[in-house]
Amino acid sequence: GAGVSQSPSNKVTEKGKDVELRCDPISGHTALYWYRQRLGQGLEFLIYFQGNSAPDKSGLPSDRFSAERTGESVSTLTIQRTQQEDSAVYLCASSLVGIWDRDNYEQYFGPGTRLTVT
Amino acid sequence: KQEVTQIPAALSVPEGENLVLNCSFTDSAIYNLQWFRQDPGKGLTSLLLIQSSQREQTSGRLNASLDKSSGRSTLYIAASQPGDSATYLCALPGGKMDSSYKLIFGSGTRLLVRP
Repeated sequence: GAGVSQSPSNKVTEKGKDVELRCDPISGHTALYWYRQRLGQGLEFLIYFQGNSAPDKSGLPSDRFSAERTGESVSTLTIQRTQQEDSAVYLCASSLVGIWDRDNYEQYFGPGTRLTVT
Repeated sequence: KQEVTQIPAALSVPEGENLVLNCSFTDSAIYNLQWFRQDPGKGLTSLLLIQSSQREQTSGRLNASLDKSSGRSTLYIAASQPGDSATYLCALPGGKMDSSYKLIFGSGTRLLVRP
């Protein structure tokens, strides 16, 4: 079946504008993750969804960042009033998580959205 | 708090060499460990997942080992090819008590295989 898809693949925006990034996980995957990778840096966790709930938002860098998930499927990451330091590749991942099978879950990543704030 | 370290940061080898990439972690209470490959400007491709009860996993020319007691994993690449050039990342869940399964990543090893 189809893998994780993200759109747009590239986004250039002016400082101060709002942006929305979309993630379509693998069908049936209950868990969804957003990560960020700034140039020359490692991947940072942003937020995790189990179903439509976000029990872990600990990685969101500021209140300008928010995310939602609907229908246990599509997720949108919104960045308000973008700043230049928001420039990064935003990666989405999904996994089929079961508490009975914690050892065996695997995260599958999308191709990412490259965000450039000018 | 789980911390993941990868060495070396960069590696350049001639085609055909066998090589080893290293990953170390501070909290041995893990569920599993994943090795990923990232090509420039692209997302992550999962290479291997080793469950906490396993000691190694193999896929083609790749072999990953896991030693939880010492907090180490290695990725062995046999007979390297120019197409293996990429950044290799290891990642594992934040910790046994962390129910979110968020992955903590190492900083990666940038591999260049010269023809």
